[in-house]
Amino acid sequence: DGGITQSPKYLFRKEGQNVTLSCEQNLNHDAMYWYRQDPGQGLRLIYYSQIVNDFQKGDIAEGYSVSREKKESFPLTVTSAQKNPTAFYLCASNPLAGVYNEQFFGPGTRLTVL
Amino acid sequence: AQKITQTQPGMFVQEKEAVTLDCTYDTSDQSYGLFWYKQPSSGEMIFLIYQGSYDEQNATEGRYSLNFQKARKSANLVISASQLGDSAMYFCAMRVYGGATNKLIFGTGTLLAVQP
Repeated sequence: DGGITQSPKYLFRKEGQNVTLSCEQNLNHDAMYWYRQDPGQGLRLIYYSQIVNDFQKGDIAEGYSVSREKKESFPLTVTSAQKNPTAFYLCASNPLAGVYNEQFFGPGTRLTVL
Repeated sequence: AQKITQTQPGMFVQEKEAVTLDCTYDTSDQSYGLFWYKQPSSGEMIFLIYQGSYDEQNATEGRYSLNFQKARKSANLVISASQLGDSAMYFCAMRVYGGATNKLIFGTGTLLAVQP
C-alpha cells in the first residue's frame, strides 16, 4: 500500500537534546513538507522540499533542520535551539505536476519534551 | 497576504442533520485552490474535498459539498446527514498556484461534535 509513514508515533525527550523525526513516502511524490500543530491552532509550515538535495524554510523554521538525500525520505531534526518543541508534527507530500494536488499526510508524531 | 479564517472554534450538530462549517479566504491571486481536511482524534489528516478558483460548479463528494462564493471569498463545507463518525476537527486550506512554494495555508480549524 502506498502512503506516508512517520515514526515513532510518540516521542519523549529531555530538554536540550536534539531529536530526529522520521518521514518516509512510497508515493513517488516530488514535494515533501513538515508541519507543526499546537492545540487550538492550525498547521504551520516548518520546511518543505520540492526536489532531492534542495529544501526551503517555511514560516517557523527556527530551531529545526531537515535533509532530503533521497526522494522517499525527509527527516526533521528538532534542535535544542527550538524554544518550545512540544507539539504534534505532521509530514506531508504531493506530486508537483497536475492541476491541483491534495497533500497526503502521515499519521504524525507527538513530541513531548520534559 | 494569503490567509484562511475559520470563525467557529466549535460546533454541535444532531445526528442525521446537516451542518455548515464556515471558511473565508484572502488572496489577490486569481488562480488558487481550496481544500477541506478532517482530523479525527487519532491525528491523521484526511482529505475531503477540493474547489478550484475557476470551477463554476460547487464541488461535491458524497455527503460533503463545498459552497463556493467567489465574490464573498467564502468556501463553506456542508456535511449532510451527519454521522457520529463525523466528530472531528475540520480544517480549511488554500493553495495559490504559480508561486514558488506550492504550499498549503491552513485555518485554525473547527471542532465538530455530532450528538446522538
